[in-house]
Amino acid sequence: DIVMTQSPESLAVSLGERATINCKSSQSVLYSSNNKNYLAWYQQKPGQPPKLLIHWASTRESGVPDRFSGSGSGTDFTLTISSLQAEDVAVYYCQQFYGPPFTFGQGTKLEIK
Amino acid sequence: QVQLVQSGAEVRKPGASVKVSCKASGYTFTGYYMHWVRQAPGQGLEWMGWINHKSAVPNYAQKFQGRVTMTRDTSISTAYMELSSLRSDDTAVYYCARDGPTTGGYFDYWGQGTLVTVSS
Repeated sequence: DIVMTQSPESLAVSLGERATINCKSSQSVLYSSNNKNYLAWYQQKPGQPPKLLIHWASTRESGVPDRFSGSGSGTDFTLTISSLQAEDVAVYYCQQFYGPPFTFGQGTKLEIK
Repeated sequence: QVQLVQSGAEVRKPGASVKVSCKASGYTFTGYYMHWVRQAPGQGLEWMGWINHKSAVPNYAQKFQGRVTMTRDTSISTAYMELSSLRSDDTAVYYCARDGPTTGGYFDYWGQGTLVTVSS
């Protein structure tokens, strides 16, 4: 199974500042046939199901604010929130969909400093 | 709009079974795989398996092989997940989640979750 490891486990950032969350996979999730990274990011607020933010490592879903961006390739990925807003307080998860079993990182809790 | 509405919370004793339903609306039910993901209290997300939208053939995570059964009823656009031989560590919120439209394995819409509590 592909193991996903996120860092840090928790993060406190001031409003308006940049937040960066890292995700590392135990093996590459880049499919050579289409040059796509099979990596997604989700946001989960308390008492709610996860919400898909990004797939293909950098493709933002419709309706997701452009302050959210994803980058990286192969085994190392980053979710960046360019200017933190109060409503971004949540736990963020990365997930690989390179192949089943589909696995998630352990989550990064983002708070306001 | 796409909606996945799950059945209500359940309480079971160890060794029992539970069946959770997930009614889909707002899209062609048979056009997408349906996944099940669980989350223990205060913990992360764990993929349990999926059911193929066309063949209804399931694919289970090895951890749950022999204990989980995923089915669907296309006539009422509803997916089901049954977990048997319940243990206390099966206490979790169980989510259904629709497969992403561009390729398999990520989840673009989620149900609201069903809390299953296993306690004697």
